[in-house]
Amino acid sequence: ETGVTQTPRHLVMGMTNKKSLKCEQHLGHNAMYWYKQSAKKPLELMFVYNFKEQTENNSVPSRFSPECPNSSHLFLHLHTLQPEDSALYLCASSQGGGISFFGSGTQLSVL
Amino acid sequence: AQSVTQPDIHITVSEGASLELRCNYSYGATPYLFWYVQSPGQGLQLLLKYFSGDTLVQGIKGFEAEFKRSQSSFNLRKPSVHWSDAAEYFCAVGAPRGSTLGRLYFGRGTQLTVWP
Repeated sequence: ETGVTQTPRHLVMGMTNKKSLKCEQHLGHNAMYWYKQSAKKPLELMFVYNFKEQTENNSVPSRFSPECPNSSHLFLHLHTLQPEDSALYLCASSQGGGISFFGSGTQLSVL
Repeated sequence: AQSVTQPDIHITVSEGASLELRCNYSYGATPYLFWYVQSPGQGLQLLLKYFSGDTLVQGIKGFEAEFKRSQSSFNLRKPSVHWSDAAEYFCAVGAPRGSTLGRLYFGRGTQLTVWP
């Protein structure tokens, strides 16, 4: 248990569905991140939030919409996804530039 | 530009043998350095980190890594591998300060297989 909890663990959705991924950290960190991990590709940073403010959007398509209502919670809203969006989505948190702690991820399959 | 290279995509070792996983990085200054391990379908677990000071760092599960500034390397080692070490290993660099503070750049990973 790393102190970062992601739900759901697995998600199957059609291309016309709308779903959300949730991440919660119990570590008191001020920064939260979404990463995408596809097969045979490096981990890709998607979004960075510091003190609830988005500080980085790594050219992510608008069908991915993040939300950070407070420093402990991070959401990733999904709509009209494509099959190539199927991947493991990892949430992480850190205190400034310190160690990033990762959740177990949501394995997303888009049909 | 920042980048991390893990030249070995897949390594196979026998249980009890020694292990070295290579990592080279490109960064404008001395970064923070990390090794993470990932089991199938799981998140990343931190093995060890280097921020400053002693260039030989000890981590969990008997792993260690050595930072060599002249070679821009941060290789991971273990003297005797256990079957439970089979997993994917990721090297990462992070900015110690500035606008990209906290952001990590990852290598592509090295898949470790352990033969009994």
